[in-house]
Amino acid sequence: GNSVTQMEGPVTLSEEAFLTINCTYTATGYPSLFWYVQYPGEGLQLLLKATKADDKGSNKGFEATYRKETTSFHLEKGSVQVSDSAVYFCAADGGGSTLGRLYFGRGTQLTVWP
Amino acid sequence: DSGVTQTPKHLITATGQRVTLRCSPRSGDLSVYWYQQSLDQGLQFLIQYYNGEERAKGNILERFSAQQFPDLHSELNLSSLELGDSALYFCASSVGPEQVQPQHFGDGTRLSIL
Repeated sequence: GNSVTQMEGPVTLSEEAFLTINCTYTATGYPSLFWYVQYPGEGLQLLLKATKADDKGSNKGFEATYRKETTSFHLEKGSVQVSDSAVYFCAADGGGSTLGRLYFGRGTQLTVWP
Repeated sequence: DSGVTQTPKHLITATGQRVTLRCSPRSGDLSVYWYQQSLDQGLQFLIQYYNGEERAKGNILERFSAQQFPDLHSELNLSSLELGDSALYFCASSVGPEQVQPQHFGDGTRLSIL
């Protein structure tokens, strides 16, 4: 079946530090991959996506590259800000018979200190 | 603002009761998805509707049911509530199910069972 595993948090960083949140997936086919961000008291917001191998999704300084060989989609940012503090979710859409059904990782809480 | 509206924001009720959660999708979106977010299970897909018809079912209990109306809003009905049903329930919408498309999430309804 389809599943997503992401690194457990919480992650605490100082402002301007480098961020990596690991995400790997298990799927029967070639899923589309997403990163969502959840700020306190709000719903999930799409951060970036990639739909095929070697695609790089990017937005607001965040990047993630779809690596088929390692079944990974790690989130990176070169210099985090306090405003990036949130919970980050990796998700996969398996396509085919499960098209539209998102499988989420458990979420990673990021706290950035000034 | 994602354009997806969920009401109510908070709901407090007792075991054995029945509640209805409501969702209005983004303008133009025909697909609606329901997810449950709990501490022990994380974010779990419950059910998907497209243009009024059920499209896919996930880990939805038999005590739960949903529907999508002709005006495309959707309702999630939870009955015979148990303490373990306490969770954040999210609705998401997308244009349609033909290909992978980003889902846009509402801010959720927090359900507390006393």
